[in-house]
Amino acid sequence: QSELTQPPSASGTPGQRVTISCSGSRFNIGSRTVSWYQQLPGTAPRVLIYNNNQRPSGVPDRISGSKSGTSASLAISGLQSEDEADYFCAAWDDRLNGVAFGGGTKLTVL
Amino acid sequence: QVQLQESGPKLVKPSQTLSLACSVSGDSISSGGYYWSWIRQPAGKGLEWIGRMYTSGSTDYNPSLKSRVSISVDRSKNQFFLRLSSVTATDTAVYYCARYYCGDGSCRFDSWGQGTLLTVSS
Repeated sequence: QSELTQPPSASGTPGQRVTISCSGSRFNIGSRTVSWYQQLPGTAPRVLIYNNNQRPSGVPDRISGSKSGTSASLAISGLQSEDEADYFCAAWDDRLNGVAFGGGTKLTVL
Repeated sequence: QVQLQESGPKLVKPSQTLSLACSVSGDSISSGGYYWSWIRQPAGKGLEWIGRMYTSGSTDYNPSLKSRVSISVDRSKNQFFLRLSSVTATDTAVYYCARYYCGDGSCRFDSWGQGTLLTVSS
């Protein structure tokens, strides 16, 4: 069982805004920064968000992240078919003394 | 731009030890601020952090695997390695090596290998 909890699925139509949540505890999200990863089918994950809300170069600004207390969220606006993928949150966990990943959310563009 | 590439056997028998290598190009494995890491993903499931090694050689491992895992480095070849002993079918997964960068007050996996599927079967 993951230390970080994500909904298993999310969906939206093209152009819509969708959010994916990631719930943790004071041992991880509550005291550490959160990163988000996108995994397209058959490929390795790539970082979308780090330090809760920072985007690496090349990630469009329609993708954003936020954190409040022991939860974090990833938001994708102007949804496109190419956004259909699995999304994972991650944070250092002081009780695990290691990196905790969320279970992943499969985003479907209807 | 840094690139990582996993290599190793595709099939390991139960109870044996799996050994994988990660070749790093475009950056020195001795560069400061980086943790060289292993992550795995069973088919259709989520990501599981296996462990990491700092440039100094210090390591951290997932407690659930700690008794069976070790990560080591060959600086002359710019490679790092994963060894997992006493494997069972539950160790069947895609194994990724990744660079874990800690800076700007946060950490993230900023570069990943393409992954290698390892199957445990007799």
